[in-house]
Amino acid sequence: DAGVIQSPRHEVTEMGQEVTLRCKPISGHDYLFWYRQTMMRGLELLIYFNNNVPIDDSGMPEDRFSAKMPNASFSTLKIQPSEPRDSAVYFCASSLTEDRGRGYGYTFGSGTRLTVV
Amino acid sequence: LAKTTQPISMDSYEGQEVNITCSHNNIATNDYITWYQQFPSQGPRFIIQGYKTKVTNEVASLFIPADRKSSTLSLPRASLSDTAVYYCLVGPSNNAGNMLTFGGGTRLMVKP
Repeated sequence: DAGVIQSPRHEVTEMGQEVTLRCKPISGHDYLFWYRQTMMRGLELLIYFNNNVPIDDSGMPEDRFSAKMPNASFSTLKIQPSEPRDSAVYFCASSLTEDRGRGYGYTFGSGTRLTVV
Repeated sequence: LAKTTQPISMDSYEGQEVNITCSHNNIATNDYITWYQQFPSQGPRFIIQGYKTKVTNEVASLFIPADRKSSTLSLPRASLSDTAVYYCLVGPSNNAGNMLTFGGGTRLMVKP
């Protein structure tokens, strides 16, 4: 398996533009997570899905952020409109039900480095 | 979720044993202890997990005392490539709603 695949690896956009980040989880994994990492706040959980259904989005910072998972092999995180303070590395991770909580099943992608100017 | 406390940073030298200790005073009975490693420009990567006593794999050892209120990640012979941020997390083995919460981690610098 190629692991969790995220695209793009880098994104530079102007303030006010819409940004869409993409994630392909590991085949067969039933949980998908979106994290954001900054120097100031570390790794923050934004939202997670179970079997394509959003379970907890309490970490989503504002209504400008939205996430979807139309099928088991694809998820998007959208920011509209983007702001400079959204600049961060966004990670997607996936896991299997029986490994959740123990951490073993969490596989992270390489992340998308977003810069909003 | 049980909170964890780790040193912010540590320095070591190649070939030395490195021990990173994590405190988790409020660990619950069904919580496991897991360590992740993160290199620059990469996502965190699972290293090792344990419940009690000692666990060893090809990468590291994890020591957990009987009261489980702390744990120690041990890298037997540090190499330059071990320079990374190490996260200690605790979480139940069957958590229907709680997710893994990453703390600040320990930034390990291995020097030649």
